[in-house]
Amino acid sequence: GQQLNQSPQSMFIQEGEDVSMNCTSSSIFNTWLWYKQDPGEGPVLLIALYKAGELTSNGRLTAQFGITRKDSFLNISASIPSDVGIYFCAGQSDAGGTSYGKLTFGQGTILTVHP
Amino acid sequence: DVKVTQSSRYLVKRTGEKVFLECVQDMDHENMFWYRQDPGLGLRLIYFSYDVKMKEKGDIPEGYSVSREKKERFSLILESASTNQTSMYLCASSLGGQGGEKLFFGSGTQLSVL
Repeated sequence: GQQLNQSPQSMFIQEGEDVSMNCTSSSIFNTWLWYKQDPGEGPVLLIALYKAGELTSNGRLTAQFGITRKDSFLNISASIPSDVGIYFCAGQSDAGGTSYGKLTFGQGTILTVHP
Repeated sequence: DVKVTQSSRYLVKRTGEKVFLECVQDMDHENMFWYRQDPGLGLRLIYFSYDVKMKEKGDIPEGYSVSREKKERFSLILESASTNQTSMYLCASSLGGQGGEKLFFGSGTQLSVL
């Protein structure tokens, strides 16, 4: 099946620092999404991207849909302790019919924020 | 508050046992999914269902089956549990059609097979 390569695998940062992570694929996706998983919980959607080149913000989070449609980036500015968790990228390659919701996930980036 | 509820948070079973993982959503969503989460591998889709009694295989369906008799409930079945099925299992639901990419997840079931 399709694979997404997410990097870095883990990050240890100080509170207040900015964070960048990315996701690449060998195939094209029509939708890119970023989810966050808090410890002991299921993932929660942060940002959804639908057009190549699109740049979308959600508070301190900014994500971009790569122009080639094979990559996406997530930036977190001025990190705080509650940013701790696992961040997953996800792609949806087809649109229409029963393909909606059938996502491919990256391996995840584990973020640790030191106060 | 919308919810996806998984019946057990932790489960310990023995090799060869039949295991049922239950998931219920209260959002009237058409789509429901079962993923497993393993460190370094991310989330991998086992099965999904886009309607009652309908199911499709995901990327790793071997050793699993599913049942969706009612719209709000989606069950994952391990016919004969094996140690390599020790994992975190996540259930999710979403709308049918556009918007279906926005998944709502349960809190997960950590299954240990001894």
